[in-house]
Amino acid sequence: DVKVTQSSRYLVKRTGEKVFLECVQDMDHENMFWYRQDPGLGLRLIYFSYDVKMKEKGDIPEGYSVSREKKERFSLILESASTNQTSMYLCASSNAGLAGGAYEQYFGPGTRLTVT
Amino acid sequence: DQQVKQNSPSLSVQEGRISILNCDYTNSMFDYFLWYKKYPAEGPTFLISISSIKDKNEDGRFTVFLNKSAKHLSLHIVPSQPGDSAVYFCAASAYRSGAGSYQLTFGKGTKLSVIP
Repeated sequence: DVKVTQSSRYLVKRTGEKVFLECVQDMDHENMFWYRQDPGLGLRLIYFSYDVKMKEKGDIPEGYSVSREKKERFSLILESASTNQTSMYLCASSNAGLAGGAYEQYFGPGTRLTVT
Repeated sequence: DQQVKQNSPSLSVQEGRISILNCDYTNSMFDYFLWYKKYPAEGPTFLISISSIKDKNEDGRFTVFLNKSAKHLSLHIVPSQPGDSAVYFCAASAYRSGAGSYQLTFGKGTKLSVIP
């Protein structure tokens, strides 16, 4: 079974703090993704990575950066946390290219981040 | 501009009856469609998918129908069970050649409540 783990289930940070959210997958997937989920807005893609050290902006990258130094690990960084970044953050991974199963993404349990 | 729309935020169904969840899309480049199920405080889990070259895919109690001309898909759950109560997200996949990977665009979700 694919397993995607996230470093924290719940996190409380203060405005202006630098926040690191970590994600690890154990299926040797090339692609990794960060989403945020907000009520009434669904899942919105922040950033994704298709290879080590490679990244692409998603739909809402402002205020975020990412790091992928190893294939299994993808980090989301909030450089200076703000209250409007209070949200559920979800990490996902998938196979690459046109191989079967490339469409399906496997999600971690999520990190509920509160910025006060 | 919302490319994947789930116009019903919520749906209530009696146990044993059919649940029908609907999804509309606007981008004709989408080539694969997926449904995810999400319980509170957990990450989304993959439920069922359909390729754009098919019009129906069935897996146990779950069937997904695709009407390409109408850009519409639906998820049927028969018979509905209380354990099916969750938020259901429709997602559509498009290939990003620059990244060599598929990107999913999600709808806002429909909260299904199955009443015993």
